[in-house]
Amino acid sequence: DVKVTQSSRYLVKRTGEKVFLECVQDMDHENMFWYRQDPGLGLRLIYFSYDVKMKEKGDIPEGYSVSREKKERFSLILESASTNQTSMYLCASRDRDSEAFFGQGTRLTVV
Amino acid sequence: AQTVTQSQPEMSVQEAETVTLSCTYDTSENNYYLFWYKQPPSRQMILVIRQEAYKQQNATENRFSVNFQKAAKSFSLKISDSQLGDTAMYFCAFLLQGAQKLVFGQGTRLTINP
Repeated sequence: DVKVTQSSRYLVKRTGEKVFLECVQDMDHENMFWYRQDPGLGLRLIYFSYDVKMKEKGDIPEGYSVSREKKERFSLILESASTNQTSMYLCASRDRDSEAFFGQGTRLTVV
Repeated sequence: AQTVTQSQPEMSVQEAETVTLSCTYDTSENNYYLFWYKQPPSRQMILVIRQEAYKQQNATENRFSVNFQKAAKSFSLKISDSQLGDTAMYFCAFLLQGAQKLVFGQGTRLTINP
């Protein structure tokens, strides 16, 4: 059974804090993704990675960075959290030309 | 750039009814994949159904089927004999063949009423 695991389901952080969201997949997928989900906006791509140490900006990368030191792990970093980054964050992984598998999501609240 | 549009933010039907969710997309490419994903209130996003653009036959998975109209760039999802467990957000998604980025629509919140 394929699995994408996000380290937290709920997080509350203060403005200005550095925040790490972790994602691990056990399917040996090359591609990993971080999306942000907001009502009425669907899923918007923040960053993705197609190989270890490789990353590309998605549609809304501002205020975020990522790290992929190992194939199975993809981290999203908020260098200095702001209230407009309060959202649901979804991690996904997939192989070439296949469907994506998602983690359970992390609900981040920045106060 | 490819775009995906779901024009129905919310829908509500009675249990056992049939419901159709709409999705249109915009691309100038010929080879791509389309997906419907379901996100129940517990939030784990799961794949419902997948369609390859080169296939003329509409995909079917049990009570779920699609109406794929390539020329019209339309990809609707039909849920037959709807069940309470079908209550969820439904997202339509587009993937260009060979590309990394999966493009999602805005989502449709579907409620099945007892």
